[in-house]
Amino acid sequence: AQSVTQPDIHITVSEGASLELRCNYSYGATPYLFWYVQSPGQGLQLLLKYFSGDTLVQGIKGFEAEFKRSQSSFNLRKPSVHWSDAAEYFCAVGAHGTNAGKSTFGDGTTLTVKP
Amino acid sequence: DGGITQSPKYLFRKEGQNVTLSCEQNLNHDAMYWYRQDPGQGLRLIYYSQIVNDFQKGDIAEGYSVSREKKESFPLTVTSAQKNPTAFYLCASSSLGYNEQFFGPGTRLTVL
Repeated sequence: AQSVTQPDIHITVSEGASLELRCNYSYGATPYLFWYVQSPGQGLQLLLKYFSGDTLVQGIKGFEAEFKRSQSSFNLRKPSVHWSDAAEYFCAVGAHGTNAGKSTFGDGTTLTVKP
Repeated sequence: DGGITQSPKYLFRKEGQNVTLSCEQNLNHDAMYWYRQDPGQGLRLIYYSQIVNDFQKGDIAEGYSVSREKKESFPLTVTSAQKNPTAFYLCASSSLGYNEQFFGPGTRLTVL
């Protein structure tokens, strides 16, 4: 069965500092991987996705993520955080085959940005 | 504009009552999903549907029911059998074969 672990429940960074949010997955084949962001009381918005090919993927709002098969990781990064990036971030792994479309989500990481 | 709508945004219900949450999409997606979100627990899948008139239980289906009579609509009923229904409920949709999910704005259900 597929699973996702986000080791950090809460991260605080200063505005302008760099950010890395960790994600580890478990899946038997090449995974489909996603990062979503959620503002309080809102739905989730896709930041970026990895299906195949280049292991460094670029997303919206200046975010990027790197797929590392050897480490089963898909960490999210941003070189300079803005106060508006404060939100909850979810990593997800997508299923293949008959369950294509079904995703498993991590428990999320809450990002706080200090002025 | 294409997207997913959920209504209502806030819903209050008395214990012992059934309540139905609406989810509509105009993205022409085949698959639709219902998630429950509680603080610190991420998203847990309640039900999903990949085709009209067919749906499958997710990880926490007990106390919930769904229908999929139209491609665009996937309503969720929270029944009186659900022991702790107070939560934030999210609906999503996706194309088959592409796992990216599009989410609605959510419904916050509070049992009084």
